Amino acid sequence: EDQVTQSPEALRLQEGESSSLNCSYTVSGLRGLFWYRQDPGKGPEFLFTLYSAGEEKEKERLKATLTKKESFLHITAPKPEDSATYLCAGGYQKVTFGTGTKLQVIP
Amino acid sequence: DAGVIQSPRHEVTEMGQEVTLRCKPISGHDYLFWYRQTMMRGLELLIYFNNNVPIDDSGMPEDRFSAKMPNASFSTLKIQPSEPRDSAVYFCASRRDRYNEQFFGPGTRLTVL
Repeated sequence: EDQVTQSPEALRLQEGESSSLNCSYTVSGLRGLFWYRQDPGKGPEFLFTLYSAGEEKEKERLKATLTKKESFLHITAPKPEDSATYLCAGGYQKVTFGTGTKLQVIP
Repeated sequence: DAGVIQSPRHEVTEMGQEVTLRCKPISGHDYLFWYRQTMMRGLELLIYFNNNVPIDDSGMPEDRFSAKMPNASFSTLKIQPSEPRDSAVYFCASRRDRYNEQFFGPGTRLTVL
């Protein structure tokens, strides 16, 4: 059975305090590892797709990396507007979602 | 493009009533997904369609749930009869092809009293 596990469940950072979110996966036939951001009361918003180990993608203060068993979402010098739940998902035709990391950035 | 459109945004109903949720995917997207999100279980895939054909409905919790996609621009998720444990946020998502990311709608918050 496909599994995607995210840690930590919740993370509280001071503004400017860099950190990383972890996503470990056991997915058969993985064709993509996806990261999404979800704000309260909204649907998940796509951030990145990673296809192969060693791949990295960046967007503003976020950088996603992928190994054979894990993906990391690095947040550099976060701002309060980065507060959200970050979801990762992996799979092929259908994807399995992790339960997310709820990030709170304190001014 | 307007993105994925869902209606209603909020639905409050009483146990035993029929509930119909609606979704309009992004034009040109071949895949459509229905998810349910709760605090306890996170985001769960209920069913997905490819070119209007249901491919995998193994996530549909029981026979009370049914989904249809009569054409490329419309899908429904029906619960009959509804129960309090069905209370959740239901998301529809669409995807252009098998390799790409999904785009989610704003969700329907369902409350069954």
